Amino acid sequence: DAGVTQSPTHLIKTRGQQVTLRCSPKSGHDTVSWYQQALGQGPQFIFQYYEEEERQRGNFPDRFSGHQFPNYSSELNVNALLLGDSALYLCASSGTGPEAFFGQGTRLTVV
Amino acid sequence: QKEVEQNSGPLSVPEGAIASLNCTYSDRGSQSFFWYRQYSGKSPELIMSIYSNGDKEDGRFTAQLNKASQYVSLLIRDSQPSDSATYLCAVKPGGYQKVTFGTGTKLQVIP
Repeated sequence: DAGVTQSPTHLIKTRGQQVTLRCSPKSGHDTVSWYQQALGQGPQFIFQYYEEEERQRGNFPDRFSGHQFPNYSSELNVNALLLGDSALYLCASSGTGPEAFFGQGTRLTVV
Repeated sequence: QKEVEQNSGPLSVPEGAIASLNCTYSDRGSQSFFWYRQYSGKSPELIMSIYSNGDKEDGRFTAQLNKASQYVSLLIRDSQPSDSATYLCAVKPGGYQKVTFGTGTKLQVIP
């Protein structure tokens, strides 16, 4: 049983560029949440997708957008990258229970 | 006031000792409580969940919850050097609401 998988694992982008990160949830899970984790901080909630709709959103600008596909996989898009967007981006999947399980994360570096 | 508060540490304990990690939260409506372990450069791994007042034991780990005091703790018995990591406390209200994380406590187990 594959767990949550994210791609790519590492990414380097230039300021102003756009980036797309991908996530496949754990088998049987239908809800995907995205988090940003800066160094030395806890994960910060970006948004959550369920049934292909954004169900809840954290305090992030509109430059951050997402999508969920019919197979429950999800993408996180960030436009007009800033240096401050450098972080570990985490995808967590959940199902009917309250527990959420994380993928291995994508390390984004903006230069 | 932060929603979920943890002492950032580091908390240093000798090998074989009991490590005690603490967390307070502000939302009295919170219903689900989690402890994640995060090794440096890796993603968070769920190690304990607790939903009702009292203690929950799983191997060397015991989670404790006191909703009246809005307090959650994690005890690690017989601490091992491999337990050295950052421990994230996470809290969730009911339903599909987002999981909110603390900043984590860094634990160092000294051989």
